[in-house]
Amino acid sequence: NAGVTQTPKFQVLKTGQSMTLQCAQDMNHEYMSWYRQDPGMGLRLIHYSVGAGITDQGEVPNGYNVSRSTTEDFPLRLLSAAPSQTSVYFCASSYSGTGFEAFFGQGTRLTVV
Amino acid sequence: SQQGEEDPQALSIQEGENATMNCSYKTSINNLQWYRQNSGRGLVHLILIRSNEREKHSGRLRVTLDTSKKSSSLLITASRAADTASYFCATDAFVGQGNLIFGKGTKLSVKP
Repeated sequence: NAGVTQTPKFQVLKTGQSMTLQCAQDMNHEYMSWYRQDPGMGLRLIHYSVGAGITDQGEVPNGYNVSRSTTEDFPLRLLSAAPSQTSVYFCASSYSGTGFEAFFGQGTRLTVV
Repeated sequence: SQQGEEDPQALSIQEGENATMNCSYKTSINNLQWYRQNSGRGLVHLILIRSNEREKHSGRLRVTLDTSKKSSSLLITASRAADTASYFCATDAFVGQGNLIFGKGTKLSVKP
């Protein structure tokens, strides 16, 4: 049982480049989300999904796109990378909405130069 | 913006001592959760306490919740060097969406 798998673990991008951070879970969870973690800022919600075909914005959505075509996958797209997007990105999933523990991936450390 | 604020920001203790971390939040909640993050790793769920519960135990962990003061505490008893990590509280304030709002965390260092 792999849980939540994120790829890649590390990535360096040049300003203006685009890329997709992959996230997959094998627990049949309806709810998936993306967070970014910056020093001294804790985790901030970027986008989330309550089920296949349904996504919504979190606290810091600008510069990111998501889609949810299957229950298992929830990729995060950086449209045009900026140095301000240098961060550690975490994907999480949970069984349903409120009241359930979240399972986190190991994170993707992204540097934009 | 952050819903929860942990206190202290950093805590250094000796092995065998107890560690207490506090979390304050701003709005009414349905549940409050505590997570641990080892350096360079993802977050791991520790315990969930519902808004109608006042105290919960799990092994060496004891969590309290005071909804009138909008605060929670996490107590780790008989700490070990392996407890060295950052600890975050997370609240879900909106029914049905399940969005967790995290605090900035307490960095715990347990010296052998």
